[in-house]
Amino acid sequence: QVQLVESGGGVVQPGGSLRLSCAASGFIFSVFGMHWVRQCPAKGLEWVAFIRYDGTNKYYADSVQGRFIISRDNTRNTLYLQLNNLRLDDTAVYYCAKEGPASVRATQDWGQGTLVTVSS
Amino acid sequence: DIQMTQSPSTLSASVGDRVTITCRASQTISSWLAWYQHKPGKAPKLLIYKASTLESGVPSRFSGSGSGTQFTLTISGLQPDDFATYYCQQYESYFHSFGQGTKLEI
Repeated sequence: QVQLVESGGGVVQPGGSLRLSCAASGFIFSVFGMHWVRQCPAKGLEWVAFIRYDGTNKYYADSVQGRFIISRDNTRNTLYLQLNNLRLDDTAVYYCAKEGPASVRATQDWGQGTLVTVSS
Repeated sequence: DIQMTQSPSTLSASVGDRVTITCRASQTISSWLAWYQHKPGKAPKLLIYKASTLESGVPSRFSGSGSGTQFTLTISGLQPDDFATYYCQQYESYFHSFGQGTKLEI
């Protein structure tokens, strides 16, 4: 079955950087678009970024545009999120998620999340 | 960007009740709307996609309706396991924005 396992979270100072990874298994990674979604403490879900199946197109929320970079390695079945110039309000649990097939399209499968804490 | 407005933000109900959550899009999204259930410490769970299609394995007490800009999620006959936070999400554009969430409390 689909498995998405995030890693790379931790504590970082404001202005710092971090790279999150998401190891995918149980499906053909190279044919599905992938998302990053986050949940800040006591807040709702916030869509962060999307990358198409082949990595040709990437889309970002305004709140992270220019600071975060989504990428993927289809040979390693891994999704990445590079977090740069981190701010206090980037503190959140970050989830990677897989879009469904064309008949579904909605975000269908999710990882358990990795916690990023931005603190001085 | 498409803004999603969800209401109410909190809903108090009892086991066996029927509840409805509303989601409004700032522009038409056809039927490109999904509903998720989220519990603390867990991954969100897809309940409904294309506004009204039940995801495989989701109990039939969950139902969705609507198109264009107005959508609803209805849970008929609340079960103890249903108390969670629910989110709508549009996927008409690549910027998959969420509603603010509705916390369903006992």
